[in-house]
Amino acid sequence: QVQLVQSGAEVRKPGSSVKVSCKASGDTFTSYTISWVRQAPGQGLEWMGRIIPVVNTSNYAQKFQGRVTITADESTTTVYMELSSLRSEDTAVYYCARDGTGDLSYFDSWGLGTLVTVSS
Amino acid sequence: SYVLTQPPSVSVAPGKTARITCGGNNIGSNSVHWYQQKPGQAPVLVIYYDSDRPSGIPERVSGTNSGNTATLTISRVEAGDEADYYCHVWNIESGVFGGGTKLTVL
Repeated sequence: QVQLVQSGAEVRKPGSSVKVSCKASGDTFTSYTISWVRQAPGQGLEWMGRIIPVVNTSNYAQKFQGRVTITADESTTTVYMELSSLRSEDTAVYYCARDGTGDLSYFDSWGLGTLVTVSS
Repeated sequence: SYVLTQPPSVSVAPGKTARITCGGNNIGSNSVHWYQQKPGQAPVLVIYYDSDRPSGIPERVSGTNSGNTATLTISRVEAGDEADYYCHVWNIESGVFGGGTKLTVL
């Protein structure tokens, strides 16, 4: 069973960027896509984008196009999500989640989440 | 973009059956996955591919998907089932979640 360990909470000012990490262990890193899902306080889950490590290709939800970048480092089995031009509405818990069959299926493992607070 | 519609809340007495719907245009042609989320915790998969249960999920949790509606059914509801539930599909390589349903056990 894979484990996803995320980096710690972050506080950022509006207009800045944040980079959150998600380290995968316990399974073949390149065999599964990793998605990022966020949850604003009191709100639902929102899919942001995903990366296919085996081909190092990412795609993003239209809402985040141009502001989010998802990358992977195979040597450290870590996936990163960077969000730029932060605004207060980006305050949320950010989760990484592994696709259970490789790609475009269910999320069978989730990180514990990283709280990102955007405040002046 | 593809939209999934869930009722904001469902209430049920202990021992009864809870049904949580997820509506979407021709959702029956998609595979639907369901997650349970308790306060302060990460989501947990409870149903995948419309009706399959991961190991550790009790048989009283089931799912169906047809036409424009997918349904998560929890039989013999217990206090521990109180949580938020989200449906999830893929639409042209983009993930889509329903707005979530808060299940309250009376």
